[in-house]
Amino acid sequence: NAGVTQTPKFRILKIGQSMTLQCTQDMNHNYMYWYRQDPGMGLKLIYYSVGAGITDKGEVPNGYNVSRSTTEDFPLRLELAAPSQTSVYFCASSYPQDTRSTIYFGEGSWLTVV
Amino acid sequence: AQKVTQAQTEISVVEKEDVTLDCVYETRDTTYYLFWYKQPPSGELVFLIRRNSFDEQNEISGRYSWNFQKSTSSFNFTITASQVVDSAVYFCALSEAYDMRFGAGTRLTVKP
Repeated sequence: NAGVTQTPKFRILKIGQSMTLQCTQDMNHNYMYWYRQDPGMGLKLIYYSVGAGITDKGEVPNGYNVSRSTTEDFPLRLELAAPSQTSVYFCASSYPQDTRSTIYFGEGSWLTVV
Repeated sequence: AQKVTQAQTEISVVEKEDVTLDCVYETRDTTYYLFWYKQPPSGELVFLIRRNSFDEQNEISGRYSWNFQKSTSSFNFTITASQVVDSAVYFCALSEAYDMRFGAGTRLTVKP
């Protein structure tokens, strides 16, 4: 069972560079999410999607973009990377039948902006 | 707005001690879910428990137990006879609608 898969696991970016964090899930979940976790902190929601073609901002969306062309994939785009975006990024998905059900997380992507 | 408070930033215990991690939440919804996740040093998030707002029964799973009290808006987590492998950051979380809001986490260190 693959679950939620994120790539890359580790990445170092220079200030001003751009990159895409990939996320795919094989559980046919409609809901997908991107969270970031800063050192010593809890997770904060960046963007979420309730289905293919539908995305919306979470708590901390600035500096990021997302797309949802398929049910399985939910990439996160960082434009003009800044040191403040150094964080661990978690992609997640949840069951379509209940928006308040358990959310399943990927293993995380460690991003450093220097 | 929903909010989760984990007042204990760090806890250190000696193996075999019991330890309780506190979680207090705020919400305007009458229907919501509460969760606990474990984040070991390897970094992944491990689901531990989900409890809906209509089910106040305490739950026990092996050495883990959870005490949900709506009257005090608390959802506390107790580890009995702690072990070194329990060392991790534990997050409490609240879900009202599409997203899940996390507390800041409690770092538990269990010393041998």
